[in-house]
Amino acid sequence: QKEVEQNSGPLSVPEGAIASLNCTYSDRGSQSFFWYRQYSGKSPELIMSIYSNGDKEDGRFTAQLNKASQYVSLLIRDSQPSDSATYLCAVSYFGNEKLTFGTGTRLTIIP
Amino acid sequence: NAGVTQTPKFQVLKTGQSMTLQCAQDMNHNSMYWYRQDPGMGLRLIYYSASEGTTDKGEVPNGYNVSRLNKREFSLRLESAAPSQTSVYFCASSEADRGPYGYTFGSGTRLTVV
Repeated sequence: QKEVEQNSGPLSVPEGAIASLNCTYSDRGSQSFFWYRQYSGKSPELIMSIYSNGDKEDGRFTAQLNKASQYVSLLIRDSQPSDSATYLCAVSYFGNEKLTFGTGTRLTIIP
Repeated sequence: NAGVTQTPKFQVLKTGQSMTLQCAQDMNHNSMYWYRQDPGMGLRLIYYSASEGTTDKGEVPNGYNVSRLNKREFSLRLESAAPSQTSVYFCASSEADRGPYGYTFGSGTRLTVV
């Protein structure tokens, strides 16, 4: 069973601080990694994708991938109350376009 | 607006009733998916379609059927609804045939089976 694990939280971070979200996956054949943001009662929205080891930055968001340790993380700098949401990690495996999702981490930014 | 459209947004069914959830995308994507989302369980794949005319089972297909009507439309049918099928259902599409891209999700259908 291919698994994607996330700490369910809730994770509380003061406004302006860095929020760090982590995800581990079980299959070394994993190829592509995604972070989705989901506001309560809404659908998931893609915010970051990463395919190679290292960091990828997009505005206040940085995705980090370490295939040797089988983890992917999302850093949110200068956290804002609007970042309060559930963050879903998703992984696709070699030769398979389907995504496997973690259960999500609920993030709360405290003003 | 371009994207994935799901109907209905809300539905209440009695046990044993049937219904079809509709999904259409206008992004010319080949791949389409149906997921359900339950508290503490995350998003679980029910069925997917890699291209028009093909469908495959996902992680939790029991009690569901699908139809890929054409490239744009992918419907999910519950033949005899059960309380265990109470969930939020999301349709998604992707450009998966061009590589491992992420999904675009519809707004979801909140289904309650009583």
